[in-house]
Amino acid sequence: AQSVTQLGSHVSVSEGALVLLRCNYSSSVPPYLFWYVQYPNQGLQLLLKYTSAATLVKGINGFEAEFKKSETSFHLTKPSAHMSDAAEYFCAVLSGGSYIPTFGRGTSLIVHP
Amino acid sequence: DTEVTQTPKHLVMGMTNKKSLKCEQHMGHRAMYWYKQKAKKPPELMFVYSYEKLSINESVPSRFSPECPNSSLLNLHLHALQPEDSALYLCASSQDRGNEKLFFGSGTQLSVL
Repeated sequence: AQSVTQLGSHVSVSEGALVLLRCNYSSSVPPYLFWYVQYPNQGLQLLLKYTSAATLVKGINGFEAEFKKSETSFHLTKPSAHMSDAAEYFCAVLSGGSYIPTFGRGTSLIVHP
Repeated sequence: DTEVTQTPKHLVMGMTNKKSLKCEQHMGHRAMYWYKQKAKKPPELMFVYSYEKLSINESVPSRFSPECPNSSLLNLHLHALQPEDSALYLCASSQDRGNEKLFFGSGTQLSVL
């Protein structure tokens, strides 16, 4: 079975501040993990993915995420938030022979000037 | 071409209408998906087509009828919908079933009156 939990339905930061979006997963086997971003009135776009190579994964738009097996976490970070980063972010897990990812409930990132 | 194109972008229909949503990709992907997304919620899988054959139907009501005429096209036929079916309908594709990277279209925002 696979599941993913995103802590915090909303995260609010000031422009230029660190962005941290939390994701914890549950999987009986080593998982594939993803972060997707959804801008208003758009579909989802892949930011980055972990597929058992390097534990620190760099994605698009300056985002990165670190896979920590001991903490079953895959948190998304960005050193300096931009106004354009305001969007909905979804963590997803794929494991155990399933080929359909399970999405977390999403975290809305709000960026203040 | 790395896009998944969905039409129409917006659709308003009555409960007795019949309408169709269309999705097209020219990336040579062999798996295509329909998702339903309510506001501020993660996408929910409805159907998966693999090599133009329906491989997953997530217990979707029969008022939703998918069709895959060829490897590039995916339709969703709608009939006798209910107001609670109002949502963003997202199409996605992947290189193959089991390939982890999903490419999403921008969606069709459906309102059922």
